[in-house]
Amino acid sequence: QQPVQSPQAVILREGEDAVINCSSSKALYSVHWYRQKHGEAPVFLMILLKGGEQKGHEKISASFNEKKQQSSLYLTASQLSYSGTYFCGTSTTGTASKLTFGTGTRLQVTL
Amino acid sequence: ETGVTQSPTHLIKTRGQQVTLRCSSQSGHNTVSWYQQALGQGPQFIFQYYREEENGRGNFPPRFSGLQFPNYSSELNVNALELDDSALYLCASSSGPEYYEQYFGPGTRLTVT
Repeated sequence: QQPVQSPQAVILREGEDAVINCSSSKALYSVHWYRQKHGEAPVFLMILLKGGEQKGHEKISASFNEKKQQSSLYLTASQLSYSGTYFCGTSTTGTASKLTFGTGTRLQVTL
Repeated sequence: ETGVTQSPTHLIKTRGQQVTLRCSSQSGHNTVSWYQQALGQGPQFIFQYYREEENGRGNFPPRFSGLQFPNYSSELNVNALELDDSALYLCASSSGPEYYEQYFGPGTRLTVT
């Protein structure tokens, strides 16, 4: 089943913060975050694994609540380059490449 | 380091025809996953190839098939095209089926008329 993302869309002014949430009804092994700009490929941001391991870009932070099967992506001091659609992808097994993606959160950062 | 490349960029086909999409994985990667992304939706997993063998499949009919070659490049074949097959097809490569980071190619936009 597809993870649910919220909000569906958000508009920020440059420098503001945002939180994007991802929730699953299944027990998760990992949560992956990607950003996709219009007409471009999704770009890897962060992986969060069951057990607490994380790997990703230094300027991105995220959390994974294993009990609630929820993850949140924290975007602080947003820049214009943060604009795009953010997807969470979830894996219920250790084969982390087979991801089920949410419907996305569209983020627009303005001046 | 060469990134993931896909060809062609755009393709227009007629319902009932067959299509082959190609993906070159990133250098050093032996795993390729294919995804279908409809407009406004997240990518949907089609299947994965690891060392030339299919290593998992999503909810797609058998007319979606694939191959992986010894150099780890991959093809996605779709037979008997339907209008609903119109989408962006993405491939992603990684260092292994259990390796975590996937790197996506720019995609092939398929339009079925």
